[in-house]
Amino acid sequence: DAKTTQPNSMESNEEEPVHLPCNHSTISGTDYIHWYRQLPSQGPEYVIHGLTSNVNNRMASLAIAEDRKSSTLILHRATLRDAAVYYCILQRWDNTGKLIFGQGTTLQVKP
Amino acid sequence: DSGVTQTPKHLITATGQRVTLRCSPRSGDLSVYWYQQSLDQGLQFLIQYYNGEERAKGNILERFSAQQFPDLHSELNLSSLELGDSALYFCASSVGGGGPETQYFGPGTRLLVL
Repeated sequence: DAKTTQPNSMESNEEEPVHLPCNHSTISGTDYIHWYRQLPSQGPEYVIHGLTSNVNNRMASLAIAEDRKSSTLILHRATLRDAAVYYCILQRWDNTGKLIFGQGTTLQVKP
Repeated sequence: DSGVTQTPKHLITATGQRVTLRCSPRSGDLSVYWYQQSLDQGLQFLIQYYNGEERAKGNILERFSAQQFPDLHSELNLSSLELGDSALYFCASSVGGGGPETQYFGPGTRLLVL
């Protein structure tokens, strides 16, 4: 399984945008880029995913580099509720759906 | 609320014992996944079932086993428990069996082995 590298922690101010980076230099053509987050004392929660093009949904945006070796999760306006561990995961398109989690980035949001 | 339910929420038991964790997937989801989260290992994929059949296996110990029943609920059985098995166990479900599908996670079962 291809590996991702994320900073251990990041800080943000409330109501400001947050850019969470992820490096995945060994990504293959059939790997999807997924982001999940885990709020304190909860199970992981899906945020967004993409393959090659940038993606937007109501929670966030995903910007994927042209060579696909890195991506950035963008929270447009951080709230205190966005404080969580954010996981960048490469999921191979195969006949399984398994997710291989790394260490993730712990995001702190300051009021 | 993800729609995935797990019981029990908390479980305290002794070394050498056996426990069963239960998961009910979201209505209509055919896949169930089990994950273990511990402080030293992080979140680890254990096993996936799709429509009653084992689909993928991860770092699941031989002392652990799982099954998915005809009504699609799943059980994870942990036996000969050791202190190191203390962890959060999450179940997740998705509609199909593979590909870039969203997984919906339950609230977890916290297991403490004394």
